Amino acid sequence: DAGVIQSPRHEVTEMGQEVTLRCKPISGHDYLFWYRQTMMRGLELLIYFNNNVPIDDSGMPEDRFSAKMPNASFSTLKIQPSEPRDSAVYFCASTTQSGGQKQFFGPGTRLTVL
Amino acid sequence: AQSVTQPDIHITVSEGASLELRCNYSYGATPYLFWYVQSPGQGLQLLLKYFSGDTLVQGIKGFEAEFKRSQSSFNLRKPSVHWSDAAEYFCAVGAKAGTALIFGKGTTLSVSS
Repeated sequence: DAGVIQSPRHEVTEMGQEVTLRCKPISGHDYLFWYRQTMMRGLELLIYFNNNVPIDDSGMPEDRFSAKMPNASFSTLKIQPSEPRDSAVYFCASTTQSGGQKQFFGPGTRLTVL
Repeated sequence: AQSVTQPDIHITVSEGASLELRCNYSYGATPYLFWYVQSPGQGLQLLLKYFSGDTLVQGIKGFEAEFKRSQSSFNLRKPSVHWSDAAEYFCAVGAKAGTALIFGKGTTLSVSS
């Protein structure tokens, strides 16, 4: 199995630009999570989906952030417009109901907003 | 409030010495407890998990952790540390399958020769 795939691995952009992060979960997993990791706040949940439906988006910082999951094998996290304080590593993770909460993490996308 | 506390931000251990990383949690429901490891520039890898049963759980890479309900703790241990164990370690707590995990801030482990 290829594991959770994220792209791009690194993104450098300028303030005000739109950023789109992508995630492909492990095949057969019906839960997908987006986390953000910063030095100050550690790992925080942004949003998670079950069967492509957003279940909890209370961690999304503000309206500039949006996430979609159009099908079981693809999700995007979009930031528009981006700000320097959005600089962080964004992780995608997936799991399955029968997996007992064992979440598999992707390698992350390191975002730098200048 | 639900939270995970890892009191030690950074620990240095000599190679071959034993290791214990502390984790305390506050969680309203029956907790599912996890330890993850993150090497520089990498994602998180699950070391071990506790759901129920035997309170001493074994994980990969020679790690083990003990769940102590009375102390709300889930400390990670390894009897003999290897240089390759240098990484950041995260304790996490969750509820039933399909809910988000709450992570501690992490403990960075350095291994000296």
